[in-house]
Amino acid sequence: TQLLEQSPQFLSIQEGENLTVYCNSSSVFSSLQWYRQEPGEGPVLLVTVVTGGEVKKLKRLTFQFGDARKDSSLHITAAQPGDTGLYLCAGAGGGGADGLTFGKGTHLIIQP
Amino acid sequence: DVKVTQSSRYLVKRTGEKVFLECVQDMDHENMFWYRQDPGLGLRLIYFSYDVKMKEKGDIPEGYSVSREKKERFSLILESASTNQTSMYLCASSLSRGGTSEIPSYNEQFFGPGTRLTVL
Repeated sequence: TQLLEQSPQFLSIQEGENLTVYCNSSSVFSSLQWYRQEPGEGPVLLVTVVTGGEVKKLKRLTFQFGDARKDSSLHITAAQPGDTGLYLCAGAGGGGADGLTFGKGTHLIIQP
Repeated sequence: DVKVTQSSRYLVKRTGEKVFLECVQDMDHENMFWYRQDPGLGLRLIYFSYDVKMKEKGDIPEGYSVSREKKERFSLILESASTNQTSMYLCASSLSRGGTSEIPSYNEQFFGPGTRLTVL
């Protein structure tokens, strides 16, 4: 069974600070996705990274896929209260219909 | 935009009741999934389906069954609800894998808003 470990599990910081969330595995994935989930809602896809070493930017969010396609990071610059939520990474290529493997998530709270 | 809807946002049932959770997607996706989400355990796959009338067990199928009579609809059934099935239930859909080694399918999943089920 492929596992995705996310760290930290919980993070509470002040508005304006920078942060990085990590998603690590011993397995290789064909692609990796990041989702954000707000309380009482389903996860919403933020980005998909496919190529080893790939970097994608979404406004103040920067996503990177490791060279070996085993890990990924999400960096948020100048965090805002609207960034609060549960961030989930999910790896594709593990078998089954679509074969997504989800990490347990990072709970992020940005305090005003 | 893909839209995945779930029949109820909140549901309260009693132990032993039969419970139906309905999920509908409007983008002609082949694949549909049912997850449950619990604190500290993340998303766990219950069942999935890659075609009408097809179903496959996920990681935690015990106590659940599913039905996919139409492509757009995927139902999760709790035959006899128990208190340990109190959870947030999430439905998702995606296009068929269909990728190649050069152009892999991204397998992006689109989620519904979830049903918070409480079994008393």
